[in-house]
Amino acid sequence: QKEVEQNSGPLSVPEGAIASLNCTYSDRVSQSFFWYRQYSGKSPELIMSIYSNGDKEDGRFTAQLNKASQYVSLLIRDSQPSDSATYLCAVNRDDKIIFGKGTRLHILP
Amino acid sequence: DVKVTQSSRYLVKRTGEKVFLECVQDMDHENMFWYRQDPGLGLRLIYFSYDVKMKEKGDIPEGYSVSREKKERFSLILESASTNQTSMYLCASSFLRDKKFFGPGTRLTVL
Repeated sequence: QKEVEQNSGPLSVPEGAIASLNCTYSDRVSQSFFWYRQYSGKSPELIMSIYSNGDKEDGRFTAQLNKASQYVSLLIRDSQPSDSATYLCAVNRDDKIIFGKGTRLHILP
Repeated sequence: DVKVTQSSRYLVKRTGEKVFLECVQDMDHENMFWYRQDPGLGLRLIYFSYDVKMKEKGDIPEGYSVSREKKERFSLILESASTNQTSMYLCASSFLRDKKFFGPGTRLTVL
């Protein structure tokens, strides 16, 4: 089993809808979780971090963590064309950050 | 805002050349990292450093070395560049050993 798994996509979502991005991880002792956004040809940019079970909201973004199910997700409300990017899930395991390969998100105008 | 800068955005080198990629951060971060990113393979950790003069191998250190003489600067060295080292190279820094802030990347082509 891969340490951090994401569906590669592309995930196509109409403008204005909710985009839902999912990530599962294999190590139960992981304590912190991150979502990075990466535009084509650019470097990853940290957009959300979450450390405890439940939801964390920041503007149009909500990160959700379920440690029992080893599952973390990112919801983007009112999706905009500027949200089209690759989203990387990252998990802290023993002070080492493990990245997923990313999900490509395409917002349809 | 954290700023991580890399010496070049694009670099073209020939096989066998020695290549230096420089990274500088301005936030007094202890931790610095070098990754490469390739389509289908994601981000792979080459080397990292938690302190000046300290370095640790990541997942794919072969063919690379690093230098950290000053806290703000972390250099990646390709001793003898090969075509399979053509890639996007990303430097990152962090204060805590989790949130990472990335530089703009260097796209290296080895001919």
